[in-house]
Amino acid sequence: QSVLTQPPSVSGAPGQTVTISCTGSSSNIGAGYGVHWYQQLPGTAPKLLIYGNNNRPSGVSDRFSDSKSGTSASLAITGLQAEDEADYFCQSYDSSLSAYVFGGGTKVGVL
Amino acid sequence: QVQLQESGPGLVKPSETLSLTCVVSGTSISGYYWSWIRQSPGKGLEWIGYISYTWGTKYNPSLESRVAISVDTSKNHLSLRLSSVTAADTAVYYCARDFDPFEHWGQGTLVTVSS
Repeated sequence: QSVLTQPPSVSGAPGQTVTISCTGSSSNIGAGYGVHWYQQLPGTAPKLLIYGNNNRPSGVSDRFSDSKSGTSASLAITGLQAEDEADYFCQSYDSSLSAYVFGGGTKVGVL
Repeated sequence: QVQLQESGPGLVKPSETLSLTCVVSGTSISGYYWSWIRQSPGKGLEWIGYISYTWGTKYNPSLESRVAISVDTSKNHLSLRLSSVTAADTAVYYCARDFDPFEHWGQGTLVTVSS
């Protein structure tokens, strides 16, 4: 059971927008700690996708964006493409655990 | 271009110590934080700890009694030791630069704990 809760899977047709939620608590997201997102393509290591408040590393498409409200955060993928099929993880810090924590991951499928 | 490469035994016996190395290229190991993270089907992604040559180490409290992370600036690599392993420690182990967020990741190395 992950500290940050994500839906196991979401899917959409090419060109559509999908949203992945990341639900935490008052000791992590709700406490104001940053939320970051990672993309893991099949058979590869996770890659930093978005960090802090909607910051993208060089080379990451602006089709990816994030938002945060209260104890939750969300990742949106607009203009869904076949290459977006991957697992996506959120990450933050938890003050109760004194540890950096991850969501359980969401598998994105393109119909 | 920053590159990280993990290596170590793919099979470790229960109760023994797991030892891994991460070779860093494309950047100096000094002046940055370096993390270890593992991924298993059962527990997902789990942060193990980080080290800075200048500022020391911080470990996940859930693993702190069994973990040691060190750096060797002369070889530009970092190491992970995890003692008294059990089957629950079977995972792909990654090294990464920085923490919160974890900016650059190695490709990972699979470690299986089994007799």
